[in-house]
Amino acid sequence: DAGVIQSPRHEVTEMGQEVTLRCKPISGHDYLFWYRQTMMRGLELLIYFNNNVPIDDSGMPEDRFSAKMPNASFSTLKIQPSEPRDSAVYFCASSSGQFYNEQFFGPGTRLTVL
Amino acid sequence: DAKTTQPNSMESNEEEPVHLPCNHSTISGTDYIHWYRQLPSQGPEYVIHGLTSNVNNRMASLAIAEDRKSSTLILHRATLRDAAVYYCILDSGSARQLTFGSGTQLTVLP
Repeated sequence: DAGVIQSPRHEVTEMGQEVTLRCKPISGHDYLFWYRQTMMRGLELLIYFNNNVPIDDSGMPEDRFSAKMPNASFSTLKIQPSEPRDSAVYFCASSSGQFYNEQFFGPGTRLTVL
Repeated sequence: DAKTTQPNSMESNEEEPVHLPCNHSTISGTDYIHWYRQLPSQGPEYVIHGLTSNVNNRMASLAIAEDRKSSTLILHRATLRDAAVYYCILDSGSARQLTFGSGTQLTVLP
């Protein structure tokens, strides 16, 4: 398996633009997580899904952020409109309910909002 | 969630054992102890986890105190590739999410 795949790896955009980050989890995994990492706040969980259904989105910072999982092999995290303070590395991770909570992380998307 | 306390940084010499401590005095009986590490410019990766007994795998060993209020991740022979931030995380298992703290930055000296 190729592991968790994220795209793009780097994104530079201007304030006010819409940004869409993409994630393909490991095949067969039924949990998907979106994290954000900054120097100031460390690694924070934004939202996670189980069987494509959002379970906990309490970490989503504000309404500008939205996440979807239309099927078991694809998820998006959208920021609209983007702001400079959204600059961070965004990680997607997946895990299997069968194996106790070992999460497999993707390589991350480094987002820079100018 | 119960909290963990780790030193901000540690140093080790290459090919020597490394003992990374973690305190979790408020751990509950059902909390698992997980260790993840994050190499530079990469996502975190799972290292090991345990509940009560000591655990070994190909990457490391996990020694858990008898009262479970602390644990130690043991790298038996540190290599330069082990330089990373190591996170100790408690997980009750019911909520599935992991809460990452600030971790321990391990520097391995050649």
